[in-house]
Amino acid sequence: QVQLVQSGSELKKPGASVKVSCKASGYTFNAYAMSWVRQAPGQGLEWMGWINTATGNPTYAPGFTGRFVFSLDTSVRTAYLQISSLKAEDTAVYYCARVGYHYQFDFWGQGILVTVSS
Amino acid sequence: DIQMTQSPSSLSASVGDRVAITCRASQSVSSWVAWYQQKPGKAPKSLIYKASTRESGVPSRFSGSGSGTEFTLTISSLQPDDFATYYCQHYNSYSWTFGQGTKVEIK
Repeated sequence: QVQLVQSGSELKKPGASVKVSCKASGYTFNAYAMSWVRQAPGQGLEWMGWINTATGNPTYAPGFTGRFVFSLDTSVRTAYLQISSLKAEDTAVYYCARVGYHYQFDFWGQGILVTVSS
Repeated sequence: DIQMTQSPSSLSASVGDRVAITCRASQSVSSWVAWYQQKPGKAPKSLIYKASTRESGVPSRFSGSGSGTEFTLTISSLQPDDFATYYCQHYNSYSWTFGQGTKVEIK
């Protein structure tokens, strides 16, 4: 069965960097794009962008350029999100989500809480 | 950019009630709308795609309708497991936008 398993929660200081992972199983990894979604505490879902798992080409939503980097390691079927120069407002749960055939996000990781605090 | 506006932002309903949540797009989006259910502390779950197609395993009490600029998620008979927050989502040329969410609470 399709599974997206994300790495564990992170506690970081402002200005630091974090790299979180999303390991896929149960399907052909490079046949489906991967998206990233942010959810700040008590807030709604915010689309961050997506990565073409066949080419590795990332696309970032407005507001997620510069400090955010999507990457892949296809040998281990894993997508990564790296955030640099962390700010308190980056505190959120970050989800990876597979883009289905009809462009819906059909499977989601369990989410990673990134907390930025001094 | 196309905006998706959900209404209401929250509602209270009883088990067995019929519930409708509306999502309005700022311009026509054809049928590229999906709906998700999210329970506290959990990842969202895909319910409906292409405005009206249920994902495999989603109960038939959930239905989606609409096209163009107005879309509706209807729960025909609210069950205890349905109390959650629901989000619409629009897709266009590898860009996605979520509505702000509708929290369905127990009356």
